[in-house]
Amino acid sequence: QLQLQESGLGLVKPSETLSLTCAVSGYSINSGYYWGWIRRPPGKGLEWIANFYHDGTTDYNPSLKRRVSILVDTANNQFSLRLSSVTAADAAVYYCARVVISTTYYFDFWGPGAQVSVSS
Amino acid sequence: SYELTQPPSVSVSPGQTARITCSGDALPKKYVFWYQQKSGQAPVLVIYEDNKRPADVPERFSGSTSGTVATLTISGAQVDDEGDYSCYSTDTSGTLRVFGGGTRLTVL
Repeated sequence: QLQLQESGLGLVKPSETLSLTCAVSGYSINSGYYWGWIRRPPGKGLEWIANFYHDGTTDYNPSLKRRVSILVDTANNQFSLRLSSVTAADAAVYYCARVVISTTYYFDFWGPGAQVSVSS
Repeated sequence: SYELTQPPSVSVSPGQTARITCSGDALPKKYVFWYQQKSGQAPVLVIYEDNKRPADVPERFSGSTSGTVATLTISGAQVDDEGDYSCYSTDTSGTLRVFGGGTRLTVL
């Protein structure tokens, strides 16, 4: 059974780098899906951050691209999000998800989310 | 940029039909997807590719599109259906992947 679990520091200082990891169980991240990150700021809608494929293909939200990096650890079947130079606007619940490759790529299974606050 | 527009809230009584709309210029050409999110839980896919329902989603959930408007319909809404519903799609190029602002469904 597929499970995704986000983890990482829940509090980040302004201008520092947010770092989260998504541990995947029940499915190999090397197999026929993309994997992605989405966030929901408080009181706002969901916002797509980035997708990646195990062959190194990545796909970023243009508004976040210059600050986002994705690290893949296939040995441990997990992947990480790095978001640099954070501000209060980056405070959100961050979700990792499996991405179905179809005419439109979409998210079919999500982790429970990780709350990240930004404060000095 | 590209936006999907949803009403902030919809309210129905138990057993009534709830309809949640999502407007976007690219919807005539791009699929729309719907997610349900209950408080403190992960989003759950309830409709994909405009009108397809995942196997574990109740039949009372259905999706449709007409021009630039997609509609999620919950026939005979139940109290357990309360939550936030978000549509998702892309712009015509497929580059921008966006969610609607979300609609809070209240059933009481």
